[in-house]
Amino acid sequence: EADIYQTPRYLVIGTGKKITLECSQTMGHDKMYWYQQDPGMELHLIHYSYGVNSTEKGDLSSESTVSRIRTEHFPLTLESARPSHTSQYLCASSGPGEAQHFGDGTRLSIL
Amino acid sequence: QKEVEQNSGPLSVPEGAIASLNCTYSDRGSQSFFWYRQYSGKSPELIMFIYSNGDKEDGRFTAQLNKASQYVSLLIRDSQPSDSATYLCAVRFTFSGSARQLTFGSGTQLTVLP
Repeated sequence: EADIYQTPRYLVIGTGKKITLECSQTMGHDKMYWYQQDPGMELHLIHYSYGVNSTEKGDLSSESTVSRIRTEHFPLTLESARPSHTSQYLCASSGPGEAQHFGDGTRLSIL
Repeated sequence: QKEVEQNSGPLSVPEGAIASLNCTYSDRGSQSFFWYRQYSGKSPELIMFIYSNGDKEDGRFTAQLNKASQYVSLLIRDSQPSDSATYLCAVRFTFSGSARQLTFGSGTQLTVLP
């Protein structure tokens, strides 16, 4: 079972603040992903990485940015939060087996 | 046209019945197929994966793959109320690149009635 951790679990914050959502995994997986999911809606891939110093944008356009300086760490940053960023953000990782394992997610609410 | 199609449901079955969830995909060359379960308010949890044509069984779950017809299904035998969740089909397409990202369907909501 993959160990992947996201912090914070919940965040309520005002408009205009800079936010960083943390994601770490202890499995040594080279591939990591960020998804956005609204309640009852489908998953949308917003960023992915296939190794250190490699990041790509996903299918859904997002104002967020990511970095991958260490294998185990894949943080997502919003420079200036807006109410439209309110959503659940899910981080996942995968190793050679391709199956993605998800963290518990961060529920973000921008006031 | 969505690349991974699932019946949106909701699908309701009585406790003890067989629940059948279906998924079709657009890329004939796809090789890897996954089923995830997502409880309301939780993150997706991997329950099955299948790579070869035919059936793969794991406990009460059976995944069925037919590459010629481009569909993959999930059967849940002896359904329990705890199986009530949204089931996501995910496919790794041949053009997914180095990150081997998966394409997810929109999910089928299953309710098992006591």
